[in-house]
Amino acid sequence: AQSVTQLGSHVSVSEGALVLLRCNYSSSVPPYLFWYVQYPNQGLQLLLKYTSAATLVKGINGFEAEFKKSETSFHLTKPSAHMSDAAEYFCAVSGGDDKIIFGKGTRLHILP
Amino acid sequence: GAGVSQSPRYKVAKRGQDVALRCDPISGHVSLFWYQQALGQGPEFLTYFQNEAQLDKSGLPSDRFFAERPEGSVSTLKIQRTQQEDSAVYLCASSSSGQPRVEQFFGPGTRLTVL
Repeated sequence: AQSVTQLGSHVSVSEGALVLLRCNYSSSVPPYLFWYVQYPNQGLQLLLKYTSAATLVKGINGFEAEFKKSETSFHLTKPSAHMSDAAEYFCAVSGGDDKIIFGKGTRLHILP
Repeated sequence: GAGVSQSPRYKVAKRGQDVALRCDPISGHVSLFWYQQALGQGPEFLTYFQNEAQLDKSGLPSDRFFAERPEGSVSTLKIQRTQQEDSAVYLCASSSSGQPRVEQFFGPGTRLTVL
């Protein structure tokens, strides 16, 4: 079985500061890992995914995430926050079947 | 179309009414997924189709929930005798493959409110 824990339901950072959104996973098989972003009244958009290739994954909009098996983590980072990054972010895991298991989400606030 | 579309975008139902939610996937996508997203939560898997075949319906919360995709394209999620706990955003996603390493494209969702 798979599960995801996102630490912090709300995170606030200043514009231009580092963004760090934390995600820990549990999986009984080698996992596929994802980060999605959801803007208000819109569907989810895939930011990046880990599928057992490179452990450092680069995504859209300057985001990246590093798969650390020893820590069972897949934290999302961006060097410099922009106002347009304000949204809800979901970490998700799959064990290779059709199901994707989502975390509860972290709402990112950008302070001017 | 250019993306996944869902209709209606908003639905208000009285408790006990039946509702039908529609999903139009990206043209040519063989796989279609339904998720339920309660307020303040992440999406939860409901069911999965590959073409017209419903391969996994393990996430459907009760037998009041029924999904179909008769021609392997448009899908309908039907909820019978709606209850207040059914209030949520229902998300549809499609992909060119059922494999999770292939990106799922999400629609904007249907927000269902049961009074």
